[in-house]
Amino acid sequence: DQQVKQNSPSLSVQEGRISILNCDYTNSMFDYFLWYKKYPAEGPTFLISISSIKDKNEDGRFTVFLNKSAKHLSLHIVPSQPGDSAVYFCAASDDSNAGNMLTFGGGTRLMVKP
Amino acid sequence: GAGVSQSPRYKVAKRGQDVALRCDPISGHVSLFWYQQALGQGPEFLTYFQNEAQLDKSGLPSDRFFAERPEGSVSTLKIQRTQQEDSAVYLCASSSLGGRSNQPQHFGDGTRLSIL
Repeated sequence: DQQVKQNSPSLSVQEGRISILNCDYTNSMFDYFLWYKKYPAEGPTFLISISSIKDKNEDGRFTVFLNKSAKHLSLHIVPSQPGDSAVYFCAASDDSNAGNMLTFGGGTRLMVKP
Repeated sequence: GAGVSQSPRYKVAKRGQDVALRCDPISGHVSLFWYQQALGQGPEFLTYFQNEAQLDKSGLPSDRFFAERPEGSVSTLKIQRTQQEDSAVYLCASSSLGGRSNQPQHFGDGTRLSIL
């Protein structure tokens, strides 16, 4: 029973265009959401996060949107660059857990074509 | 470096052998987590430490898995009598605050474990 789902295993985008990665969750107790980027043979790198009290958080080319009623979040990358090609993981945590352990989606592989 | 350091990067063991994986978190980070990542999937939580206390081990798949962080810094994940299904990447992460706080976790590059 996956509590965090990324339904698109892969996404291909032209350089300079917008990349939109989507994530759905089922646990209404989740209150903190994060996006991580992963290159091969490396660990996940933190990109951006959002608390459930907000619906948008922006950091440079990266913006995360949260729709609590739909239990949906998305990551927008604009403009996309070839160096953005990686696997992106959505993750969520529940404040009622002692350590805020992360529950991850299965990842979306983004390919940005020059 | 200033990041989370894991060793070894790669470990090959025969079925039935014991293995030990090491994690050196970011200096001063209170919280330390272990995750297991199977091929093509997202990481899955194994266990959590706040300083030296193991506060959550609900994700450990069996009693063959054991983790410790005796001095509240370096942590070791030990797997006894390894099985082929233990083959995965084991990721360690740390964060600066403990308890109920929203801080991102920072990950090491993982140990890729292959059981023959």
